[in-house]
Amino acid sequence: KNEVEQSPQNLTAQEGEFITINCSYSVGISALHWLQQHPGGGIVSLFMLSSGKKKHGRLIATINIQEKHSSLHITASHPRDSAVYICAVIVNDMRFGAGTRLTVKP
Amino acid sequence: EPEVTQTPSHQVTQMGQEVILRCVPISNHLYFYWYRQILGQKVEFLVSFYNNEISEKSEIFDDQFSVERPDGSNFTLKIRSTKLEDSAMYFCASSPGTLSYNEQFFGPGTRLTVL
Repeated sequence: KNEVEQSPQNLTAQEGEFITINCSYSVGISALHWLQQHPGGGIVSLFMLSSGKKKHGRLIATINIQEKHSSLHITASHPRDSAVYICAVIVNDMRFGAGTRLTVKP
Repeated sequence: EPEVTQTPSHQVTQMGQEVILRCVPISNHLYFYWYRQILGQKVEFLVSFYNNEISEKSEIFDDQFSVERPDGSNFTLKIRSTKLEDSAMYFCASSPGTLSYNEQFFGPGTRLTVL
């Protein structure tokens, strides 16, 4: 069983829709990161969370440490949000989920 | 805006050859990382480096791999004798502090193809 599970694996949305991507993990962590991998392969860090909620523009990330669960929300989605979104947890090292491929159609 | 750079962008090598992948982290960062992503698979942690020594390494990072910070700016990953299964995208990253409290910044990656 993977230590970091993301759902859904693939997500297609219409422009303007509210998006939620989920991440569940089975190990004790010190922090959780959300990353965005562009179609060209480049990786950008979106959030680092150890508790609560963070917001950056149209992106919101939440974490529930007791339930070992985090969500990434995108409000008013846009085609440029199309990417793979990756959840990664910090134990001693960094352990990655398989990613959620998001396609936003105009 | 400061960024992590990696060279080369694409490296093709023959099985059994040594390769060195190069990274220039952001200048005031203290922690450095290498990751790999085999085509179609998830990103995997290889190694973290702090204060001129390895702080964590994964099972993937066996004796064939080594890292070095030969001067104040470069951070290198060496694969001594490449295997076909080493073909992957290798990402370098750096952070100002530990990942428990800081975001990290990724380089654009080096695509390694082993023939």
